[in-house]
Order: sequence, then C-alpha cells, then structure tokens
Amino acid sequence: DQQVKQNSPSLSVQEGRISILNCDYTNSMFDYFLWYKKYPAEGPTFLISISSIKDKNEDGRFTVFLNKSAKHLSLHIVPSQPGDSAVYFCAASAGTDKLIFGTGTRLQVFP
Amino acid sequence: DTGVSQDPRHKITKRGQNVTFRCDPISEHNRLYWYRQTLGQGPEFLTYFQNEAQLEKSRLLSDRFSAERPKGSFSTLEIQRTEQGDSAMYLCASSAEGGYQETQYFGPGTRLLVL
Repeated sequence: DQQVKQNSPSLSVQEGRISILNCDYTNSMFDYFLWYKKYPAEGPTFLISISSIKDKNEDGRFTVFLNKSAKHLSLHIVPSQPGDSAVYFCAASAGTDKLIFGTGTRLQVFP
Repeated sequence: DTGVSQDPRHKITKRGQNVTFRCDPISEHNRLYWYRQTLGQGPEFLTYFQNEAQLEKSRLLSDRFSAERPKGSFSTLEIQRTEQGDSAMYLCASSAEGGYQETQYFGPGTRLLVL
C-alpha cells in the first residue's frame, strides 16, 4: 500500500516559470514531510522540509505547502532553472526515523 | 565535512553469491540508515542504527540480509545467497542526534546487479 503518492511521473517547465510538484499521503499519523532531489548516479539531496504544525515553509526559490485536511503537499520552485532538472521525491515520517518515500516526479526545465 | 560515502559504487555478482557493502557516515552523525531503491520506485527503508544499536528493521530485510555497525562509526550491509530480486540501488544515510526530524543526508549509493 503506497502511503505517499506522487501521481505525476514527469513534469516539463520552461526556464523562469514556476514548477509545482505534488504529493498526496494517506497516513494521518505523518507529522513531518520532506522533499529530496536526485540526479542520476547520485544519492538523494535534501531540499526542504515542513512539520505538520506549519502550512508553509520557504527556503530561497523553494516553498513547500502543506494542506493537512486534504493530505496534500506541494513543492513550488520559482523561478525554475535548467539545473533544477532532476527527479524529486516527497517523503514523510510518523514520529520515527523511518522515511516513507513517494515514487518520484521527473522535472525537466527547458530553455 | 566529506559527506556520506559508500563502497563499492557498483557491484555485479552471480546469483547465490554473498556481497557486502560499506557505508561511512558524516563524522559527527550517530544515526545511520539503509534504504533500497528499485527502478521506478522511491527509496524504501531497510534499517537504522543509533550508534552501534540497531533500532528498527523493515520486514523487507529478510534473513539473508544483515547489517552491522560495530563501533558506532561505519556500517556494513551483507546480503547472503543473492537473488535476482536483490538487484537495486542500496542507499545509506546519516543524521545527527536530535530526534526524528533531523535531516537524513544520503550517500551516492551502491548499485547491485545480480545475474
């Protein structure tokens, strides 16, 4: 049973525009959420996180929004840059160190 | 800070052979995690250590898998009698002590191919 779902396997965005990556979850016990970025042949790189007591967290070009009632979170990248092209994973935890990952969304930023 | 390192980066083995992977965490991190990633999936949790104590194991970690962290520094993951279904990327991560919301930093992974 996939507790963290990323329903869009891929996304293509023009450079300078906003990229919006979505993630849905089913476990209401999740209280901490993270986004990781992964380039080919590398391990995942931490981007940004959010606790369930917040609904928004910003770090530079990256903003994560959390809608607990909808069990939905999203990552906004503004403005998108070609170097942002990678696979993005949403992850969640429920009070433990065990992270549950989604299946990833491949973002391509074109000129 | 040299980051998390893993060795080897690639391993090809024949079915039935044993393999061992090594992970060196970020030096001041006392928590260490193992994940497995197969094609088209996100990383799946296998196990984690706090210092030398193995605190949680996933049901994915069958009896053929064993992980150790004998001195609370580097860790090894051994797979005995490998099967083709073990082919995957094995990822190691580490974090500082401070609760489960401490960021997990990942290494580059070991890609295993079982023929």
